[in-house]
Amino acid sequence: GIQVEQSPPDLILQEGANSTLRCNFSDSVNNLQWFHQNPWGQLINLFYIPSGTKQNGRLSATTVATERYSLLYISSSQTTDSGVYFCAVRPGNQFYFGTGTSLTVIP
Amino acid sequence: DTGVSQDPRHKITKRGQNVTFRCDPISEHNRLYWYRQTLGQGPEFLTYFQNEAQLEKSRLLSDRFSAERPKGSFSTLEIQRTEQGDSAMYLCASSLGQASTDTQYFGPGTRLTVL
Repeated sequence: GIQVEQSPPDLILQEGANSTLRCNFSDSVNNLQWFHQNPWGQLINLFYIPSGTKQNGRLSATTVATERYSLLYISSSQTTDSGVYFCAVRPGNQFYFGTGTSLTVIP
Repeated sequence: DTGVSQDPRHKITKRGQNVTFRCDPISEHNRLYWYRQTLGQGPEFLTYFQNEAQLEKSRLLSDRFSAERPKGSFSTLEIQRTEQGDSAMYLCASSLGQASTDTQYFGPGTRLTVL
């Protein structure tokens, strides 16, 4: 199956800092989503972004489908941004998740 | 629109027992997905339904696992003869299934512990 790699695996930031999370995938996809899993385990949809760029407040995402990667940008990070960020891709009917980036934002 | 709900939120069972989980998707969402997530890993796809039809099953889904969506609304996931390796968070997601924007929305999950 398709390989989905996320980097970095762990990230610690001071509140107010910016960060970039990366998702690489090994095959063409027709669907890509970014999720934030909060400390209680709830997966929250951030972006549906199979291609192009989107912005939502302090978050933005870019997917370059032809080069098989996606980036999630977090600006002016807050402690509530802490948690694990996953990208999920769908080459056919089945979704594949990466192993996630664990983000800790310290005050 | 109350979001995706799952019941129960936690389940503790003894090895060898059967368990059943329920998922209620967002109304009018015709796609429903089941995933399993273990500690430190991303969710792993188990199966998905388009309305009442089960269209795809992962090789992870052994014959002890069965899922149904009898009327194209709620779904159940049953695990027979549970094993300790079945301990995990079981997640359900739903989507509209439109080609242009098939966004998944997840429920809070059911955490299963097999003793």
